Amino acid sequence: DVVMTQSPLSLAVTLGQPASLSCRPSQSLVSRDGNTYVTWYQQRPGQSPRRLIYKVSNRDSGVPDRFSGSGSGTEFTLKISRVEAEDVGVYYCMEGTRWPYIFGQGTKLEIK
Amino acid sequence: EVDLVESGGTLVHPGGSLRLSCEGSGFTFSTSWMTWVRQAPGKGLEWVAEIKPDGSVQGYVDSVKGRFTISRDNAENSVFLQMSSLRPEDTAVYYCARDASWGAMDIWGQGTVVTVSS
Repeated sequence: DVVMTQSPLSLAVTLGQPASLSCRPSQSLVSRDGNTYVTWYQQRPGQSPRRLIYKVSNRDSGVPDRFSGSGSGTEFTLKISRVEAEDVGVYYCMEGTRWPYIFGQGTKLEIK
Repeated sequence: EVDLVESGGTLVHPGGSLRLSCEGSGFTFSTSWMTWVRQAPGKGLEWVAEIKPDGSVQGYVDSVKGRFTISRDNAENSVFLQMSSLRPEDTAVYYCARDASWGAMDIWGQGTVVTVSS
């Protein structure tokens, strides 16, 4: 199975400053149909996960445009252009190319 | 409004069995791939099982194969997770989610807590 390695595991950011979260799969995630199925989830404290980004870079409706996803092959990134207080939580990447789907271990975002 | 509501979580002894349920509303359940994801206390997310819309195909993480069974009843807009031979390491919040496509789960329930302990 693929291993999804996220870094850093913890990140403290000043309000209004950018944040960059990394996700590195142990192997290329390009599926047989040529697409890459990397999804980013946000889990705020005490809440269920929420999908932010799907297929690497497609932002969900209602997700602020300060969130963006990018990457290919074995390196993917979630960027927050200006961190706000409501962004506190844990962010998970996940690959959906084949079963079993694999989550990264998560990056905990805090406010400095 | 779209919603998923899980139920059935409780305290169970090691070796015991439990059936979790999840009822969907506000979306076309019968054409949706449905998933169970769990989160052990203080830990990250783990994909557990998924089922095709017509119920004909199921997938499981290795750690639950042979012990857990996912099923569904489209007439009742419900998906189930039958868990047997439970172990302390199965202790977790179990979330039900809709897989919109290739692991992109767009609807999540609030979770139900399963505790396996003597």
